[in-house]
Amino acid sequence: EAQVTQNPRYLITVTGKKLTVTCSQNMNHEYMSWYRQDPGLGLRQIYYSMNVEVTDKGDVPEGYKVSRKEKRNFPLILESPSPNQTSLYFCASSSGEAHNEQFFGPGTRLTVL
Amino acid sequence: RKEVEQDPGPFNVPEGATVAFNCTYSNSASQSFFWYRQDCRKEPKLLMSVYSSGNEDGRFTAQLNRASQYISLLIRDSKLSDSATYLCAPSNQAGTALIFGKGTTLSVSS
Repeated sequence: EAQVTQNPRYLITVTGKKLTVTCSQNMNHEYMSWYRQDPGLGLRQIYYSMNVEVTDKGDVPEGYKVSRKEKRNFPLILESPSPNQTSLYFCASSSGEAHNEQFFGPGTRLTVL
Repeated sequence: RKEVEQDPGPFNVPEGATVAFNCTYSNSASQSFFWYRQDCRKEPKLLMSVYSSGNEDGRFTAQLNRASQYISLLIRDSKLSDSATYLCAPSNQAGTALIFGKGTTLSVSS
């Protein structure tokens, strides 16, 4: 089944404790992206990757890092989480670039205390 | 002007009603346009791509007006299962992101 998976689905952590949210897709998509969704603000792009070893900042990259060592994986790293990073995070992928339809993972609900 | 604007609603309609959502976008260079459906904080799922000529998929019709920079979604014969938030999403010019509206909430009641 073609899909985007994320882990963990739910995470409660404390300020400053490094964490990684994994994202994997099995559709051989070149493009992958991370979004966060907050009430009243909608979906905002954090980082994106057009292909392996190619990553770039989206609209809200502060406090996040990403890597794209393999085509299928695009982990999101929070080196020192803060409470304002409490949010619902979605990973997405598409064939080629963002002009094509994006497929979303199930989401990761993160709470930073 | 905000990049993508949608009426947040909620739109409360009875089963069988026809309801229309509009979305305006600011970037005239956007190349692709989509409607996504999102249920209660789950992941957005593609409902329809939107083409210049307009397109229809069952009870759903999407239209694009490039001159006025708006996208519409028409839902006919609403079902209870149509209750959700509908997100409008044009792509940015560079093809590096979809720019999502904040969504329009639809509630269909019996």
